[in-house]
Amino acid sequence: AQSVTQPDIHITVSEGASLELRCNYSYGATPYLFWYVQSPGQGLQLLLKYFSGDTLVQGIKGFEAEFKRSQSSFNLRKPSVHWSDAAEYFCAVVRSNTDKLIFGTGTRLQVFP
Amino acid sequence: SQTIHQWPATLVQPVGSPLSLECTVEGTSNPNLYWYRQAAGRGLQLLFYSVGIGQISSEVPQNLSASRPQDRQFILSSKKLLLSDSGFYLCAWGGTSGSSDTQYFGPGTRLTVL
Repeated sequence: AQSVTQPDIHITVSEGASLELRCNYSYGATPYLFWYVQSPGQGLQLLLKYFSGDTLVQGIKGFEAEFKRSQSSFNLRKPSVHWSDAAEYFCAVVRSNTDKLIFGTGTRLQVFP
Repeated sequence: SQTIHQWPATLVQPVGSPLSLECTVEGTSNPNLYWYRQAAGRGLQLLFYSVGIGQISSEVPQNLSASRPQDRQFILSSKKLLLSDSGFYLCAWGGTSGSSDTQYFGPGTRLTVL
């Protein structure tokens, strides 16, 4: 069965530091992958998506993610974190032969000044 | 551009009372529509999805139901709420069926059942 794993429940970084949020997926074919961000009490906002092509994907707010088939990973990165990036981040994969998303359990990011 | 609305934003209801949450989408036609629930400290669980008016599929058995009376309107209902129905309910819309398009989420409704 397909699944998405976000190994880190909670990450704390200092403002200006680099960030990497991990996401591993279980999927037989080429997956469609997404990263969403959720601020407290808000809906989910799409950061970026990967369908095919270039394995390094650029998103909004200075985020990028790299698809690595050999590692079944789609890690989210940002070179310099801002205090406003504090939120919960969700990785998701489209379930095969459907357009339904399977979400990871999320990683909560805390940013210290 | 497309926008998605949900109301109410917050709701506090007693156990056993009925529920109606509404979701509407603007700026697109014949979208796929989805209802998700997010329980405290957990990920998102898909509850219902719809590919067209009157077409509803349920992902999990529960005391909730969904309806799609109009192309861009999706309603989540319950006849009698349970404590376990508390959570954050998110509506989303996506492209045509089978296209694996991106899903875009509404602002959510926070439901507390007491």
